Amino acid sequence: AQSVTQPDIHITVSEGASLELRCNYSYGATPYLFWYVQSPGQGLQLLLKYFSGDTLVQGIKGFEAEFKRSQSSFNLRKPSVHWSDAAEYFCAVGAGASYGKLTFGQGTILTVHP
Amino acid sequence: DTGVSQDPRHKITKRGQNVTFRCDPISEHNRLYWYRQTLGQGPEFLTYFQNEAQLEKSRLLSDRFSAERPKGSFSTLEIQRTEQGDSAMYLCASSLGHRDTMNTEAFFGQGTRLTVV
Repeated sequence: AQSVTQPDIHITVSEGASLELRCNYSYGATPYLFWYVQSPGQGLQLLLKYFSGDTLVQGIKGFEAEFKRSQSSFNLRKPSVHWSDAAEYFCAVGAGASYGKLTFGQGTILTVHP
Repeated sequence: DTGVSQDPRHKITKRGQNVTFRCDPISEHNRLYWYRQTLGQGPEFLTYFQNEAQLEKSRLLSDRFSAERPKGSFSTLEIQRTEQGDSAMYLCASSLGHRDTMNTEAFFGQGTRLTVV
């Protein structure tokens, strides 16, 4: 069975600083990988996805992620964080024919200091 | 159609009562998913439908839980004899998927927050 590990439960950065959120997955085949963001009391919004092809994927709001098969990682990055990026971020892996049946990590809460 | 819609947004119920939640997916999406999210955790898969057929159920879905999607459009999730451990956010998502053609990612609703007192 697949699994996802987000090693950092809580990260604090200053506005304008760069950001990297870590994600490691375990899956026997080529994974479908996703990053979602969740604001308090809200649903999940997709930031970006990796299905195949170029291992560096661009998403919304200036986020990008790099798939590294050798490290089983899919880390999320942003060069300059804005206060509005404060939220909880979830990495997820999809399996099989359905891209909606996902296994999520525990999440990383991002706090942004002014 | 602006997205996945869930109703109600919040539900407080007494232990032992039955509750039902509704999810309206994006209209052209044939797949619908239910997830449960407890505080401080990521969402956990419960079940999913392709059109009206329930194709998979997680072991998390006890006998007290039942989900339906009678006409392949909206779905309901019912919890019978609620327990305090059922308190969570219940998320619905939908996607478009066919065996040999393009699949889309899942789009999530805003969730129903259940509190069992």
